[in-house]
Amino acid sequence: GNSVTQMEGPVTLSEEAFLTINCTYTATGYPSLFWYVQYPGEGLQLLLKATKADDKGSNKGFEATYRKETTSFHLEKGSVQVSDSAVYFCALRFVGNEKLTFGTGTRLTIIP
Amino acid sequence: NAGVTQTPKFQVLKTGQSMTLQCAQDMNHEYMSWYRQDPGMGLRLIHYSVGAGITDQGEVPNGYNVSRSTTEDFPLRLLSAAPSQTSVYFCASSLQGGNTEAFFGQGTRLTVV
Repeated sequence: GNSVTQMEGPVTLSEEAFLTINCTYTATGYPSLFWYVQYPGEGLQLLLKATKADDKGSNKGFEATYRKETTSFHLEKGSVQVSDSAVYFCALRFVGNEKLTFGTGTRLTIIP
Repeated sequence: NAGVTQTPKFQVLKTGQSMTLQCAQDMNHEYMSWYRQDPGMGLRLIHYSVGAGITDQGEVPNGYNVSRSTTEDFPLRLLSAAPSQTSVYFCASSLQGGNTEAFFGQGTRLTVV
């Protein structure tokens, strides 16, 4: 079956540090890939997505590139802020099969 | 535009009680789903629906029922609550299509004692 493996957390960084959260997937075929973010006390919201190999999704300074050869979709940000503190989820989904498959989530804390 | 609305936000049940978690969306989305979120396990799919009158099981359906009589509403029923159902529950909706964004409600935190 399909699965998503995320970097274990929690991750704690200082403000303005560089962020990488690793995500790899196992799937038959070529899914669409997503990063969702969950701020404290809220539901998940889409951060960025990529729908085919070599696509780069970007939003709010975050980026992730769909790497077919390594089945990866790592999330990066060059300079994190305290407001980026949240739980980040990597997920995949196929056209014609509406189910989202999530990773376990990575809790990120940014300290001033 | 309200998006996805879940009620209640918090609930405490005794073992064996039943209850219904409500979910409504106003975006005319065909696809709706219920997830539970547990520490260290991410989100796991309970049930989903691809349209009114059509529902199917996800990966953890036992102990839960759903129905979809309208496009807007997708309630989740706990038939006889157990402590193992203590979790945070999220409802989501989206248009059909593997690359479309899913919109989530704010969640229901359920404790079964």
